[in-house]
Amino acid sequence: GAVVSQHPSRVICKSGTSVKIECRSLDFQATTMFWYRQFPKQSLMLMATSNEGSKATYEQGVEKDKFLINHASLTLSTLTVTSAHPEDSSFYICSARQAGVMEQYFGPGTRLTVT
Amino acid sequence: AQSVTQLGSHVSVSEGALVLLRCNYSSSVPPYLFWYVQYPNQGLQLLLKYTTGATLVKGINGFEAEFKKSETSFHLTKPSAHMSDAAEYFCAVTGGISSGSARQLTFGSGTQLTVLP
Repeated sequence: GAVVSQHPSRVICKSGTSVKIECRSLDFQATTMFWYRQFPKQSLMLMATSNEGSKATYEQGVEKDKFLINHASLTLSTLTVTSAHPEDSSFYICSARQAGVMEQYFGPGTRLTVT
Repeated sequence: AQSVTQLGSHVSVSEGALVLLRCNYSSSVPPYLFWYVQYPNQGLQLLLKYTTGATLVKGINGFEAEFKKSETSFHLTKPSAHMSDAAEYFCAVTGGISSGSARQLTFGSGTQLTVLP
């Protein structure tokens, strides 16, 4: 149980285009989802926290107009990187948490490369 | 406020030797502590966690960790390393269920474990 999927696992896009990454909780209802970014050989940095049906809370320094997060249902959150640039290339990981439960369950990550 | 310090960005051990990965934390509320493992190009897998109760917690793959409040530590150990243990390990802390914004996970910088044959 407690499986989180991400799609796509890898994506290459051209500079200036937008790309959407999906995060799904497969066997539980995720009231809260988190989006992290990980640069090579570095730790995970929290980008934003989203609660189902409400606006995401972004961490300091994260551009909310560039990284659009939607959490429209209890099983799906999406991260859209708008007008992507090469510096947005990174490994993006989502996690999901049920109400009243501390543990976060992590997705397998999405490798974004912007050319 | 929460923070995690992992001493040693790289640790190498011989196969069969003891694994010790160090983690120290700071937290303004009683902490919940986690160890995660990450294999290349994959997400994080939970190894073990401490919330309340017994301070020595056992996890998957033979790993265990001990919560020491007086030392603000949560070191990860395994008696005998296996080649398959080679990976990146992250220690993380969060506040308890009622601690508001402190419920976010804060990660350490990670420790790359190499197992030598």
